[in-house]
Amino acid sequence: EIVLTQSPATLSLSPGDRATLSCRASQSVSRYLAWYQQKPGQSPRLLIYDASNRATGVPARFSGGGSGTDFTLTISSVEPEDFAVYYCHQRFNWQSTFGQGTKLEIK
Amino acid sequence: QQELVESGGGLVKPGGSLSLSCTASGFALGDFYMSWIRQAPGKGLEWLSYISKSGDTIKYADSVMGRLTVSRDNARRSLYLRLNSLRSEDTAVYYCARDLPAAVAGFDLWGPGTQVVVS
Repeated sequence: EIVLTQSPATLSLSPGDRATLSCRASQSVSRYLAWYQQKPGQSPRLLIYDASNRATGVPARFSGGGSGTDFTLTISSVEPEDFAVYYCHQRFNWQSTFGQGTKLEIK
Repeated sequence: QQELVESGGGLVKPGGSLSLSCTASGFALGDFYMSWIRQAPGKGLEWLSYISKSGDTIKYADSVMGRLTVSRDNARRSLYLRLNSLRSEDTAVYYCARDLPAAVAGFDLWGPGTQVVVS
């Protein structure tokens, strides 16, 4: 099983700051990695698919990068509605796993 | 409006079984790969299973292999999950999710989830 490790566990920022979230895979997943945002009491929302493609309706301040084992999700300027938990997700050889999540909280 | 809605959750006893359904509306279920994912209280997301468009290919997570059966009926717009030999660790919100066709990794539509409590 491919293990995804997200860092940091918690990121404390102010609105307007730049956020950089990391996801590291225990082995290469090529570019088959997605990012989701989840707010309390809600289902996850797809932000980025296949490492760097923004999903429909996702603001341009969200961007994804990386390949192989190291990936990042960047929020160029955090908005108040962005404070949430973020998960990375890989799919390789028909198997999927999720990272443990990064909580983006207000500083 | 495209929507997924899970049903069948509730309180179940340890050692028992649970059966969940996921009903699609606003799109043709048969055009999409589908998955089941769960989330234990206060925890992260756990992928459980993929099923191909026709249902002829199904993959399971190691953690539920042998206890989980997933199927689909595209004519009824429905996806199904059956989990046996329930344990307290199976307590979770269970989601069905749709694969984004343009992607290898990406679930673009999720249901609201159905809560299962094993006690």
